[in-house]
Amino acid sequence: DAKTTQPPSMDCAEGRAANLPCNHSTISGNEYVYWYRQIHSQGPQYIIHGLKNNETNEMASLIITEDRKSSTLILPHATLRDTAVYYCIAPSSGNTPLVFGKGTRLSVIA
Amino acid sequence: DAGVIQSPRHEVTEMGQEVTLRCKPISGHNSLFWYRQTMMRGLELLIYFNNNVPIDDSGMPEDRFSAKMPNASFSTLKIQPSEPRDSAVYFCASSLSIAGVEQFFGPGTRLTVL
Repeated sequence: DAKTTQPPSMDCAEGRAANLPCNHSTISGNEYVYWYRQIHSQGPQYIIHGLKNNETNEMASLIITEDRKSSTLILPHATLRDTAVYYCIAPSSGNTPLVFGKGTRLSVIA
Repeated sequence: DAGVIQSPRHEVTEMGQEVTLRCKPISGHNSLFWYRQTMMRGLELLIYFNNNVPIDDSGMPEDRFSAKMPNASFSTLKIQPSEPRDSAVYFCASSLSIAGVEQFFGPGTRLTVL
């Protein structure tokens, strides 16, 4: 797996955009970037994934830099329910499972 | 679909006892994963199966841990004998394939070994 680096914690005001960075400078050309989140006392939940292009779904947007060495997960209008640990994962290409790191603990504040 | 089902949700046992955790994956999913989560070590992948066959059990901490998947709709994780350091939340997840885009996690089993 490409090593990923995330800040341990971040705060965001409710209603504002939450921008969660992830560094994956060792990622190879065909390795995807996945984002999951884990709300307290629940199992992790898939958010979004991408390879090269920016991606958007109903939960979030994923911005990947042109050199693919970093990415940013954007929650456009954070709510209190978005308080969770967010994991950025870049598994090796091929038939390998996800390996979770320590993630970023996002606290959305009213 | 009911999602991934795990039982029991909570288990309290005494050191030395056998513990069996159960998981029913989402119908149609070919891959199943067992994870353990603690404050100290985070979310660790213990073992995963593809088409009911164990593929990699290198994450299983000791011989006291074993996992089976007798059919596509059921898996167990057994700890015998249990020790206090096994206390953790154990998650089961399933996906269409090992490298499937989306893994679906169960609610977890909180195990406390006294």
